[in-house]
Amino acid sequence: DGGITQSPKYLFRKEGQNVTLSCEQNLNHDAMYWYRQDPGQGLRLIYYSQIVNDFQKGDIAEGYSVSREKKESFPLTVTSAQKNPTAFYLCASSIWTGLRGGYTFGSGTRLTVV
Amino acid sequence: GQQLNQSPQSMFIQEGEDVSMNCTSSSIFNTWLWYKQDPGEGPVLLIALYKAGELTSNGRLTAQFGITRKDSFLNISASIPSDVGIYFCAGQSSGATNKLIFGTGTLLAVQP
Repeated sequence: DGGITQSPKYLFRKEGQNVTLSCEQNLNHDAMYWYRQDPGQGLRLIYYSQIVNDFQKGDIAEGYSVSREKKESFPLTVTSAQKNPTAFYLCASSIWTGLRGGYTFGSGTRLTVV
Repeated sequence: GQQLNQSPQSMFIQEGEDVSMNCTSSSIFNTWLWYKQDPGEGPVLLIALYKAGELTSNGRLTAQFGITRKDSFLNISASIPSDVGIYFCAGQSSGATNKLIFGTGTLLAVQP
């Protein structure tokens, strides 16, 4: 079955450490996205990528970095520069163009700084 | 970044009641989508709307694409405990890409 997989489901990080969240999709989607969700909040866009080897900053990119070396993969690194990294992180993918879009989401990674 | 105005922010209802929530935008959209997020999971697509005035049902869920193309609503009839979650609207504006703008979410709690 096609889908989008995020790992790990739960992640603990010490202050000052970088950590990388994995996102893999086998839907042959062109575009991939990273969102951050805080308790009781909506979805805030961190980064997105329309095509391999290209990505753009979203609304809250500071303290995060991404890469898109393969169509299937879009890892997110939460760096030590991110002041408040504890949150629920969601990855999504979609076709980039076409009338009938819509995102497929992964099941999320909950990151906690200890 | 741009977000849609979604209301209400939260709802606490009794099992069996009907629920209504809506989203409004200052921009015109050519697609409206409604997602549900269960606790600790990613959002799942419930209903997609592609034409102004379109009314679409999915079981007990009904959604409409507003005539002005600036709003949409979602109704849930005869709510059950498993309807609990956060409901998000999302809009896609005219243009070449499928980048979505999300609403702020409606938290639904259903008491048995």
